Amino acid sequence: LAKTTQPISMDSYEGQEVNITCSHNNIATNDYITWYQQFPSQGPRFIIQGYKTKVTNEVASLFIPADRKSSTLSLPRVSLSDTAVYYCLVGLNTNAGKSTFGDGTTLTVKP
Amino acid sequence: DGGITQSPKYLFRKEGQNVTLSCEQNLNHDAMYWYRQDPGQGLRLIYYSQIVNDFQKGDIAEGYSVSREKKESFPLTVTSAQKNPTAFYLCASSIGGVTSREQFFGPGTRLTVL
Repeated sequence: LAKTTQPISMDSYEGQEVNITCSHNNIATNDYITWYQQFPSQGPRFIIQGYKTKVTNEVASLFIPADRKSSTLSLPRVSLSDTAVYYCLVGLNTNAGKSTFGDGTTLTVKP
Repeated sequence: DGGITQSPKYLFRKEGQNVTLSCEQNLNHDAMYWYRQDPGQGLRLIYYSQIVNDFQKGDIAEGYSVSREKKESFPLTVTSAQKNPTAFYLCASSIGGVTSREQFFGPGTRLTVL
């Protein structure tokens, strides 16, 4: 079972780029890396997913080194509305019972 | 509109009573999940189902039960055997199978046991 480690909290200011790193030393060959965003009293929302190298979409980038033992979520030019908890999830999409949400990283964006 | 609905949003029950939380999806997803979230903590998997009439225990299944009689519905019963049932409960679904990509979450039900 792939266990993940993330910083408990991070602070940033509006307009800055934020990088949140997740460690997953025992990632398996077929595991994907997925990041979710959660606002208070709401369900998490999918941000981005990757397997290796770099993935970019309209809201974020995901950087995965060759050994895949860590990954970095990059949020460009954050705003106050990006204040949320960010979860790194590692596992097989086809077997949710083998992947777990950790405690996440609480990102606070200040004006 | 396609999505996942959970009802009710807030639920209050007396200790010792069973309570059933509703989860419905019209996304035509094969897989559905139930998570529990306690204040300041991450999500913990209770049960999941990858296909109709089949489901598996997650990390914290004790004191909970589920059924999956229809593809679009995955109700969760919190029984009196659950020692500390007060929590935020989230239901999710995904396409399932090798093409599965992301889980779509409902708005959640906040259960308070008095």
